Amino acid sequence: DADVTQTPRNRITKTGKRIMLECSQTKGHDRMYWYRQDPGLGLRLIYYSFDVKDINKGEISDGYSVSRQAQAKFSLSLESAIPNQTALYFCATSDVMPGQGKGAGELFFGEGSRLTVL
Amino acid sequence: AQKVTQAQTEISVVEKEDVTLDCVYETRDTTYYLFWYKQPPSGELVFLIRRNSFDEQNEISGRYSWNFQKSTSSFNFTITASQVVDSAVYFCALQEYGNKLVFGAGTILRVKS
Repeated sequence: DADVTQTPRNRITKTGKRIMLECSQTKGHDRMYWYRQDPGLGLRLIYYSFDVKDINKGEISDGYSVSRQAQAKFSLSLESAIPNQTALYFCATSDVMPGQGKGAGELFFGEGSRLTVL
Repeated sequence: AQKVTQAQTEISVVEKEDVTLDCVYETRDTTYYLFWYKQPPSGELVFLIRRNSFDEQNEISGRYSWNFQKSTSSFNFTITASQVVDSAVYFCALQEYGNKLVFGAGTILRVKS
């Protein structure tokens, strides 16, 4: 089983619908992230959480919300989906900041959730 | 603010050719970390390497090598004797100490047989 699991992997929805993307991890990491990937734009950070009580906005948080239900779970919600939110969404985890521990600080990604908003 | 530029949108090579993917970064910090990730056609993101700002030694891992030059703010990635399986999108990323990871736009590498 994957260390970082995203559900659903693919979803087609209509404008105005509420959508939740779920992420769970078995790596035991405190830090979790949601990124969005669009062609030609790379990956952009939506929200991140350094522990269960810590939630922070990334560079493109408008139109999104998150919930950190437990150390292992981090959900991304689109309250009212719109077509320009059509993208590939990635959840990621990391152990520590680079240099703060033995880990390299690299992100471990889920397999992605492809969302299409019609 | 931190920024990563991958000027090459797409590169096509023939198998066995060497190819270099460019990455230029901007940061005001003296402590930072640079990463390369690979995204094959299957879509997952695979960590390739991490470099910290105090270590300018070049690194080689099999057919992969990385050239980190602080003087030009570059962290270029070279694949020697490319193979079809190297076809992927490659992302360079920068993380300032205490900050978040910022990705470049990515370079699509197509290796033809």
